[in-house]
Amino acid sequence: SQQGEEDPQALSIQEGENATMNCSYKTSINNLQWYRQNSGRGLVHLILIRSNEREKHSGRLRVTLDTSKKSSSLLITASRAADTASYFCATDNWAAGNKLTFGGGTRVLVKP
Amino acid sequence: DVKVTQSSRYLVKRTGEKVFLECVQDMDHENMFWYRQDPGLGLRLIYFSYDVKMKEKGDIPEGYSVSREKKERFSLILESASTNQTSMYLCASRTQGTTNYGYTFGSGTRLTVV
Repeated sequence: SQQGEEDPQALSIQEGENATMNCSYKTSINNLQWYRQNSGRGLVHLILIRSNEREKHSGRLRVTLDTSKKSSSLLITASRAADTASYFCATDNWAAGNKLTFGGGTRVLVKP
Repeated sequence: DVKVTQSSRYLVKRTGEKVFLECVQDMDHENMFWYRQDPGLGLRLIYFSYDVKMKEKGDIPEGYSVSREKKERFSLILESASTNQTSMYLCASRTQGTTNYGYTFGSGTRLTVV
């Protein structure tokens, strides 16, 4: 079952612009993670934010988490053509077993 | 560089065949997972394993089985392949326990059943 739902499903931007995508989830979590998937490949772990954190940065990535609204956002600043990929959020709820539940993903196209 | 390796990138099999998808990790991870990914359905968990010889059903185990005889290897078995098992299959691993770590994924196997 999918816990995270991402919005929008697809996003098209120009190189240099920022890309923002959102993830909503339904149950309590211990952490929330974001992954990137290039076309036809496996997923790559980008960033993890713990349930007691509100914001986290890694390079051009900024993640926020609002546990009261059960939502998270991923911001990619100054996007590049190489950022073209699908982005997935995944929730980790230790009480439900040591496994992640993934959202449906956001497809991001960065036009040069 | 740590790695999860899936034995095949592309595979074409006939309906009714027994199919083995292999996954090997070199990180000494206890937990290993098999997902399938389909357009519009996202990633769905088929089976996972907490350690050697252990296995747990995920959300969609029907038509599949798994084997974990060695810590580094987790095999997904399609007992009798059907066309509705045409999909991208992704293997992942993670260290054990309630940890704040992400998964490491393999590159995926795109299976076509004809």
